[in-house]
Amino acid sequence: ETGVTQSPTHLIKTRGQQVTLRCSSQSGHNTVSWYQQALGQGPQFIFQYYREEENGRGNFPPRFSGLQFPNYSSELNVNALELDDSALYLCASSAGGVGTEAFFGQGTRLTVV
Amino acid sequence: GENVEQHPSTLSVQEGDSAVIKCTYSDSASNYFPWYKQELGKRPQLIIDIRSNVGEKKDQRIAVTLNKTAKHFSLHITETQPEDSAVYFCAASIGRSQGNLIFGKGTKLSVKP
Repeated sequence: ETGVTQSPTHLIKTRGQQVTLRCSSQSGHNTVSWYQQALGQGPQFIFQYYREEENGRGNFPPRFSGLQFPNYSSELNVNALELDDSALYLCASSAGGVGTEAFFGQGTRLTVV
Repeated sequence: GENVEQHPSTLSVQEGDSAVIKCTYSDSASNYFPWYKQELGKRPQLIIDIRSNVGEKKDQRIAVTLNKTAKHFSLHITETQPEDSAVYFCAASIGRSQGNLIFGKGTKLSVKP
């Protein structure tokens, strides 16, 4: 196991609601990236946080937002949920810098009905 | 925008045969190329990675080659075993940002005993 934990593991929400997903990074890691993985697809980069600041963002609308805390854990918030937001949400932590491996958490399966 | 193409989408081989998965990327600034294995319902796990200053890397039965000029990189698995059956994803860094990755759409590898 990687030491990266996500909560909750599964979640069902109604369209229009808001959701918060959480990620605890591996000890010693200061960088957390979030990905959305739709069924049968590769993970898509949402954004990355490095030392509490956003450090890159993929092609996702502003209703996807995040935070990183002083202990380097992170949250992903999604407002105004849409049916297409149903997916596996993965976070990956790394020590940052060139040549460091990113370790994935087990993911949160979000279903929007 | 940046893109990673992965082929084939499915691959079936007999146990003991070799398997090759190919990827191309569009961002000439990408300098890190990891490969992930994802078993059903589990997190992606890094199996091998290569950086732009290296043309080939090998780890037991797994090898990766990189052609920066052509923007191609490939995964080679020799002496395949049934437990190699999984979905494999290639990825490329977004520019030089280590943890920000663009993933291919995946290759479902089936190894038949």
